[in-house]
Amino acid sequence: GAVVSQHPSRVICKSGTSVKIECRSLDFQATTMFWYRQFPKQSLMLMATSNEGSKATYEQGVEKDKFLINHASLTLSTLTVTSAHPEDSSFYICSAPRQGRGTEAFFGQGTRLTVV
Amino acid sequence: AQSVTQLDSHVSVSEGTPVLLRCNYSSSYSPSLFWYVQHPNKGLQLLLKYTSAATLVKGINGFEAEFKKSETSFHLTKPSAHMSDAAEYFCVVSLLNQAGTALIFGKGTTLSVSS
Repeated sequence: GAVVSQHPSRVICKSGTSVKIECRSLDFQATTMFWYRQFPKQSLMLMATSNEGSKATYEQGVEKDKFLINHASLTLSTLTVTSAHPEDSSFYICSAPRQGRGTEAFFGQGTRLTVV
Repeated sequence: AQSVTQLDSHVSVSEGTPVLLRCNYSSSYSPSLFWYVQHPNKGLQLLLKYTSAATLVKGINGFEAEFKKSETSFHLTKPSAHMSDAAEYFCVVSLLNQAGTALIFGKGTTLSVSS
C-alpha cells in the first residue's frame, strides 16, 4: 500500500485564490520531503526541499513567496500555492525518502491543480 | 553535478517484441539510479533501482536494467512488451544534498505498444 499520501488528488481553483496540498508519510518519519512539479508531457522538476523544523530550500527559479512550504511535523509537509494563476496549473508531486536498506524515495499520488 | 539523459523521447514497439529504453548519466561519484514508470494521470511507480550492488538489476513486471560504468549507461529492457507497458518512463539519478536525497529526473521516454 501507499507509504506517502498526498491530498487532494485534484483541485480546481479560481485565479487569485490559494491552494494547500498536503503530503504525509504514513508509517515512517520524514525529516525531509521534496516537492516536484510536472508540466504536461514533461519531466518532473524539483521545486524545493522541505525540512522539518527549518526553512525550506528552494531550487533556482522557484518563487518562495508563491510556493509556501511548511514542514509542520515529522510526517507532514504542505505546499501552498498562493495567489494562483493559470500558469500555475500543473501536476505537483511530493516525495519522502525512507531510510532502510539504503534510502528509497516514495512518492505521493500527485495533485492535479487547475487554475481557472 | 549529477544529471541524466534519456536518449529517446518516444519509443514504439509491437506487442511481444523487446523493449529498450536508453539512459545515460553523469555523476561525480558512484550514483544511485532508478527507473520509474508513470501511467496517464497517475503517480510514479518504482520499477527498479541500482545502489552499487549487482550491476544487472531486475525489477517488477519483467523489466531489468544493467549499470555500465564504462559507458555511464543504465538502459532499461524487457524481453517481450505487453500492451499494459505503454506509459511514460523516467530514468532518475539521486542527488545527495545537505537535506538528504533528492531525485533528478530525465525528460522521460514515452513507450507505445501496438498490437
